[in-house]
Amino acid sequence: ETGVTQSPTHLIKTRGQQVTLRCSSQSGHNTVSWYQQALGQGPQFIFQYYREEENGRGNFPPRFSGLQFPNYSSELNVNALELDDSALYLCASSFVPAGTYEQYFGPGTRLTVT
Amino acid sequence: ILNVEQSPQSLHVQEGDSTNFTCSFPSSNFYALHWYRWETAKSPEALFVMTLNGDEKKKGRISATLNTKEGYSYLYIKGSQPEDSATYLCALDRGSTLGRLYFGRGTQLTVWP
Repeated sequence: ETGVTQSPTHLIKTRGQQVTLRCSSQSGHNTVSWYQQALGQGPQFIFQYYREEENGRGNFPPRFSGLQFPNYSSELNVNALELDDSALYLCASSFVPAGTYEQYFGPGTRLTVT
Repeated sequence: ILNVEQSPQSLHVQEGDSTNFTCSFPSSNFYALHWYRWETAKSPEALFVMTLNGDEKKKGRISATLNTKEGYSYLYIKGSQPEDSATYLCALDRGSTLGRLYFGRGTQLTVWP
C-alpha cells in the first residue's frame, strides 16, 4: 500500500450540488496532485498543490478548487456538479525537491452525478 | 493536446506466457516516464520511473525499456501469472509543473490459469 488514503470511497450527488473529496498524503510529502479518470480514459491532471499553494492547473474550470493543509491532508471541491463530472478522482502525493518526483496514489473516490 | 498512447488496449494470455505492451509519447520536452500497475479497487502502484534514453529497469519478472529519441517505452512480463492481472498505465512527466503526469489509457492484462 502507498500510505495515501482517500474518502469517501463512493459518492452519489445530484447535478448542481457541491462535493468535497478528501485525501490524506504520506507523512512528509509536501505536494499533492489531483487527477480525474473518466470512463475509458486515462487519468487527467486537475491541479497540484505545493506547500499549500496551487502550483499548476490542467484544463479544468474554476468550479474545481482545492485546499492543502499542514497536516498532509487535502481537499478537492467541485461546485455546480455536472453529469460529466462523474468519474474516479485520484490524489497523489510526493516530496519535492526529489529527483524524479515519484508519486504515490490513493485508491480513488468514485463520484456519480445524477 | 498531448497524446500518450498505449497498446494494446487489452490483452488476454495464458499463465506462463510472456507478454509486452507499448507506450508511445511525444519525444520533445521529455523528463521522465512512469509505469504503474493498477489492480481494481486498489491504488496505482509505481513500477518504474525511467529518465535516460536506453534505460532498462527490472523488478522480478517485469522489465521496461525506454527510447526517448523515438518516443516509446516497452513493458515486458516474463512467465505471466494470474496475479499479474491488472491495468498497466504509463505516464509522461515533461518536467514543467512539479510532477504533472500525462497518462495513457492503460493496457488491461488478464492472465488465465
